Amino acid sequence: EPEVTQTPSHQVTQMGQEVILRCVPISNHLYFYWYRQILGQKVEFLVSFYNNEISEKSEIFDDQFSVERPDGSNFTLKIRSTKLEDSAMYFCASSEGQGLRFTDTQYFGPGTRLTVL
Amino acid sequence: LAKTTQPISMDSYEGQEVNITCSHNNIATNDYITWYQQFPSQGPRFIIQGYKTKVTNEVASLFIPADRKSSTLSLPRVSLSDTAVYYCLVGPSGAGRRALTFGSGTRLQVQP
Repeated sequence: EPEVTQTPSHQVTQMGQEVILRCVPISNHLYFYWYRQILGQKVEFLVSFYNNEISEKSEIFDDQFSVERPDGSNFTLKIRSTKLEDSAMYFCASSEGQGLRFTDTQYFGPGTRLTVL
Repeated sequence: LAKTTQPISMDSYEGQEVNITCSHNNIATNDYITWYQQFPSQGPRFIIQGYKTKVTNEVASLFIPADRKSSTLSLPRVSLSDTAVYYCLVGPSGAGRRALTFGSGTRLQVQP
């Protein structure tokens, strides 16, 4: 069964450093997403991406965040200057989004645990 | 988006059937009901989705009454590995918002 993969599984960084989290969505999917989950809290939407541009973003996704699809398979989330409060699990997801009607079934990756010291 | 309400936690024993009910009184005509499962330190996993009546797959069944103001996720004969958080999400299918809004979910603990 196709899966969303994410690397690294765990990233430790110093406050103020830049990090790039990587994701490989399911190959025939057209919509890509990033979510995060702070320990013990809800899964929160960050951003969705379609046709090489952001289609929706939340208040959390400020100027410190950016997303990119640098090639035909990878989807990345960059945090320019990490803060302590960015420590969380970051989940990538993808969905098919084909046709006029489609489900919002999103398939999530295993996550990257980001620890900011 | 329709607001959902589900129990914070449930306990069960192996082999039992578990039913988790979700209330969504202001569900819209074009809204679908989707359930996700999340194990600790893992991403949410899609379980089942439905619009009305009953949907069944190899993992679970989803019962939706005619007024669609609630839905029940049914897990037959649970095992220890079904211990997880279960989320009920209600939102439109098709073009439009695609951000998923997760609530606190129902934490299911299965005991031996």
